[in-house]
Amino acid sequence: DQQVKQNSPSLSVQEGRISILNCDYTNSMFDYFLWYKKYPAEGPTFLISISSIKDKNEDGRFTVFLNKSAKHLSLHIVPSQPGDSAVYFCAARPMEYGNKLVFGAGTILRVKS
Amino acid sequence: GAVVSQHPSWVICKSGTSVKIECRSLDFQATTMFWYRQFPKQSLMLMATSNEGSKATYEQGVEKDKFLINHASLTLSTLTVTSAHPEDSSFYICSASWGRSTDTQYFGPGTRLTVL
Repeated sequence: DQQVKQNSPSLSVQEGRISILNCDYTNSMFDYFLWYKKYPAEGPTFLISISSIKDKNEDGRFTVFLNKSAKHLSLHIVPSQPGDSAVYFCAARPMEYGNKLVFGAGTILRVKS
Repeated sequence: GAVVSQHPSWVICKSGTSVKIECRSLDFQATTMFWYRQFPKQSLMLMATSNEGSKATYEQGVEKDKFLINHASLTLSTLTVTSAHPEDSSFYICSASWGRSTDTQYFGPGTRLTVL
């Protein structure tokens, strides 16, 4: 049972335009959501997070939106840069399990120059 | 930011041998370390959670006798793949965190294990 789903395996965007990566979840007990960025043969690096009590969090070019009623979150990158090309993982934390994270399958983002 | 290292970054071993992977938090004390496994084009699958000084908690379906985890100090955790087989070939990633308030895990660069 995949509790965190990233239905788009890949996304291609032109440099300077907006990248929107989507994530859906099924467990209403998730209380914290995170996005990680991963380059090949490297570990994921933390990008941005959002608590379930908020609906938006912004950090520079990155904004995460959370729609609790739809159990959906999205990561917006604007403007997109070629260096943003990587795999993006959505992760969620069940409130009763400390720091344990449940990851989605990832979305490959390619930003074309 | 917090730095987590893994060693080795890449290892090739013969079937039936054991391999040890180290995970170190370099500039912070990690109360909890996590071990993940990633197959090609798939997500990171949590294998186990370890807290310093106590036994690891394994996820369902992960053989604790095959994947031995030791978290001997606040800066070091080891994963030993015992009697490795080709199907154990994978990318193993550790992460470390402290407490709950930071809400983030800091990941190591991963270890590519190839079992011949």
